[in-house]
Amino acid sequence: AAGVIQSPRHLIKEKRETATLKCYPIPRHDTVYWYQQGPGQDPQFLISFYEKMQSDKGSIPDRFSAQQFSDYHSELNMSSLELGDSALYFCASRPQGPGANVLTFGAGSRLTVL
Amino acid sequence: SQQGEEDPQALSIQEGENATMNCSYKTSINNLQWYRQNSGRGLVHLILIRSNEREKHSGRLRVTLDTSKKSSSLLITASRAADTASYFCAAFYKLSFGAGTTVTVRA
Repeated sequence: AAGVIQSPRHLIKEKRETATLKCYPIPRHDTVYWYQQGPGQDPQFLISFYEKMQSDKGSIPDRFSAQQFSDYHSELNMSSLELGDSALYFCASRPQGPGANVLTFGAGSRLTVL
Repeated sequence: SQQGEEDPQALSIQEGENATMNCSYKTSINNLQWYRQNSGRGLVHLILIRSNEREKHSGRLRVTLDTSKKSSSLLITASRAADTASYFCAAFYKLSFGAGTTVTVRA
C-alpha cells in the first residue's frame, strides 16, 4: 500500500540558510499535517492543510512557511535556519470521511543545522 | 497546551511482562488515539477509542477510556523486544501529542 513519502530523508544546512521539505500524502488523502520533533522531544504540531487551504496553525515559527499544491503534496519552507531548527520533521496525512481521524505518518526528514 | 500527557515517562520491563501506561487530557474529545514511535521513525497508529467506548482490544493491546477523569490507559500484554518504542496518546482536539512513554523491553 502507498505510504506518505517525505523528501529528502536527510538534510544538512548551515545557519541562516534555507531548506525545503516535501511531503507526498497517500492518494485520496486531502489533509496534510506537519510536525517538528527535536531530540528527545515529543512531536510538536506546526501546521495543517485541507484541500490546499491552511486549516490549522500550531507552533510554526514566522521563518517557516508551508503550502499544499493542487496535487495535494505539501512543502515546508524554512528560512534563516537556526541551530535549534535541527529536528525530525514529520508529515502526516488523512482522508475525509469515516475513519478520518487516523493519521498516517511519513518516515520523516532529519534536518541538521550546523 | 498539550492534549495528551503520558505517565510514566519511561518504563523498563522483562520480555513477557505486561506494560501499562496512562494518558490524561484536558478537553472534551470524540476519540483518543495511541501511536507508537520506534527510535527516529515516524509514528504508527495503534488503536482508536471513541468517547462512547470504555474499553477496546486489538491483539495484545488493551485500551481503556474514562471520560469522567479525562484519562486513558494502554496495556501491552506479553511484551516482546519489538515493543521497545515510545508510545504517545493524542486526543485530537488540537492535533497535539503528549510527551510519550518510552518503553524498553529487556530480553
